[in-house]
Amino acid sequence: DVKVTQSSRYLVKRTGEKVFLECVQDMDHENMFWYRQDPGLGLRLIYFSYDVKMKEKGDIPEGYSVSREKKERFSLILESASTNQTSMYLCASILRGSYNSPLHFGNGTRLTVT
Amino acid sequence: AQSVAQPEDQVNVAEGNPLTVKCTYSVSGNPYLFWYVQYPNRGLQFLLKYITGDNLVKGSYGFEAEFNKSQTSFHLKKPSALVSDSALYFCAVRDVNRAGGFKTIFGAGTRLFVKA
Repeated sequence: DVKVTQSSRYLVKRTGEKVFLECVQDMDHENMFWYRQDPGLGLRLIYFSYDVKMKEKGDIPEGYSVSREKKERFSLILESASTNQTSMYLCASILRGSYNSPLHFGNGTRLTVT
Repeated sequence: AQSVAQPEDQVNVAEGNPLTVKCTYSVSGNPYLFWYVQYPNRGLQFLLKYITGDNLVKGSYGFEAEFNKSQTSFHLKKPSALVSDSALYFCAVRDVNRAGGFKTIFGAGTRLFVKA
């Protein structure tokens, strides 16, 4: 069974800090995604990657960057955290070309920026 | 552009009664539709999908969904609700581009409350 692991369940950071959110999957999936989840807005795509060192902007990339140095790991970076980045962050992965298969999600990281 | 609408923020139902969570979609090609469920402080779990074939799709935990092409709807249903079904439900559509790449677009979510 696919496992997607997000390193932290809860994080509290201060405004202006650099924040790293880590995601690791164990099924050799090429495609990985970062979403943020906010009440009433559903899931919004921040960035995605379809291979090592490849990245694509999603719908709300401003204030974020990503890193994909190894196939199994996809990191989301908040260069200078702001209070409006307080949210639930979800990582997901899927095999390339599996457009009729569901995404596999981690349990999420709830980030609070004070 | 592809989009998904879940018109109800919240659905309340009594245990043992049938439930319906509504979803409508807009796609430019063949729809790939999904339902996910989220329990508190957890990620999303896959419930069921429609790719092609029968309009009534059966999934996990006794849930099913009815695909209606003319109404562009994909409503989630269950004949008899359980208190443990209380959760946040997301409808999603897959946006496949010509190169074979894809993104998944989610609705805003519907919170289901099942009262004992």
